[in-house]
Amino acid sequence: AQSVTQLGSHVSVSEGALVLLRCNYSSSVPPYLFWYVQYPNQGLQLLLKYTTGATLVKGINGFEAEFKKSETSFHLTKPSAHMSDAAEYFCAVSEGSGGYNKLIFGAGTRLAVHP
Amino acid sequence: GAGVSQSPRYKVTKRGQDVALRCDPISGHVSLYWYRQALGQGPEFLTYFNYEAQQDKSGLPNDRFSAERPEGSISTLTIQRTEQRDSAMYRCASSPLRGSLAGEETQYFGPGTRLLVL
Repeated sequence: AQSVTQLGSHVSVSEGALVLLRCNYSSSVPPYLFWYVQYPNQGLQLLLKYTTGATLVKGINGFEAEFKKSETSFHLTKPSAHMSDAAEYFCAVSEGSGGYNKLIFGAGTRLAVHP
Repeated sequence: GAGVSQSPRYKVTKRGQDVALRCDPISGHVSLYWYRQALGQGPEFLTYFNYEAQQDKSGLPNDRFSAERPEGSISTLTIQRTEQRDSAMYRCASSPLRGSLAGEETQYFGPGTRLLVL
């Protein structure tokens, strides 16, 4: 079965510092990988996704993630944190068989950004 | 356009009562998913609809949980005889496609219904 591990339930960075949120997955088939963000009192919003092709994926709000098959990782990065990036971030892998997209989520990482 | 909406946003109920949670997906979206998110955890899959057909209910924890989508649009998740362990955030998501590209498809999530069972 597929699974997702997010290392670090809480990450704190200074404004302007690098953001690195870690995600490792297990999958017996080439995975589809997603990062979602949840702002307070809102639904989950897609940041970016990897399906096929280029392994470095760029998303919204300056975030990007790199799919590394050899490391089974899909870490999320942003060069310079902004206060508005404070939110909870979820990595997910898709069980894409059967013609629909059953997402398996990690436990999430809460990002705090301080001045 | 309008996104996925869910109602109620918050529900407090007493143990043993039945609750019904509503999801109104984006117009025209074929696929509809329900997830449950416990505190401190990521969302967990409950069930999937293709139009009105419930094609996967493998994530429903027991027979107190049921879901329907009778006209292929609005969906209702019903929990009978609620228990305290049912307290969680219940999330609905929809997506436009089904088929070979569905595995890479973006799901659009609603704001969720937070259920508290006393």
